[in-house]
Amino acid sequence: GAVVSQHPSRVICKSGTSVKIECRSLDFQATTMFWYRQFPKQSLMLMATSNEGSKATYEQGVEKDKFLINHASLTLSTLTVTSAHPEDSSFYICSARDSAATGAGELFFGEGSRLTVL
Amino acid sequence: QQQVKQSPQSLIVQKGGISIINCAYENTAFDYFPWYQQFPGKGPALLIAIRPDVSEKKEGRFTISFNKSAKQFSLHIMDSQPGDSATYFCAPRRGSQGNLIFGKGTKLSVKP
Repeated sequence: GAVVSQHPSRVICKSGTSVKIECRSLDFQATTMFWYRQFPKQSLMLMATSNEGSKATYEQGVEKDKFLINHASLTLSTLTVTSAHPEDSSFYICSARDSAATGAGELFFGEGSRLTVL
Repeated sequence: QQQVKQSPQSLIVQKGGISIINCAYENTAFDYFPWYQQFPGKGPALLIAIRPDVSEKKEGRFTISFNKSAKQFSLHIMDSQPGDSATYFCAPRRGSQGNLIFGKGTKLSVKP
């Protein structure tokens, strides 16, 4: 099946620094990728929709200057958490849809990236 | 307004038993009804999904039952195994390009 890779899987950083998380579709092209945030024992919350070659669409309440999204190619989207603070500590998950697929348009999820801000 | 209500929040089942998780939704425009399985520290993975033109779909030990008039769909896990212990999410969607709307999740524990 289709594979979505996230890197890094775990990252620890100091408060005030910026952290970049990569999301790659390994065997398909994705014009659209999604970024989610998941707190412990909670559901996934959609943060933004990443569109190749254009600006990301952010959900209400998500600061676009805080969470920078770049979708530079059909297989790579990046999420940069700028000036990270402890409250940004969370599990960040991306998903991607195969642009060439017909039918259900299944979303494939990455393994997630655990961010801990000290 | 909560679009998707999932229950129960947690579930404990003995090995070999049947696990049943329910999902109620508000938006009648949803046309794709998947269940995702998530293990700790991992991303969710599609387990099984159904379209509204059928009332039931079975894949191995996993069955989705869909009730369009009641706006509900459920996941049944037959012969539950300890390896099924995970968190399950319903996540209906509108249209092939729509976003998934996740339920709050059900933590399933299957006791040996």
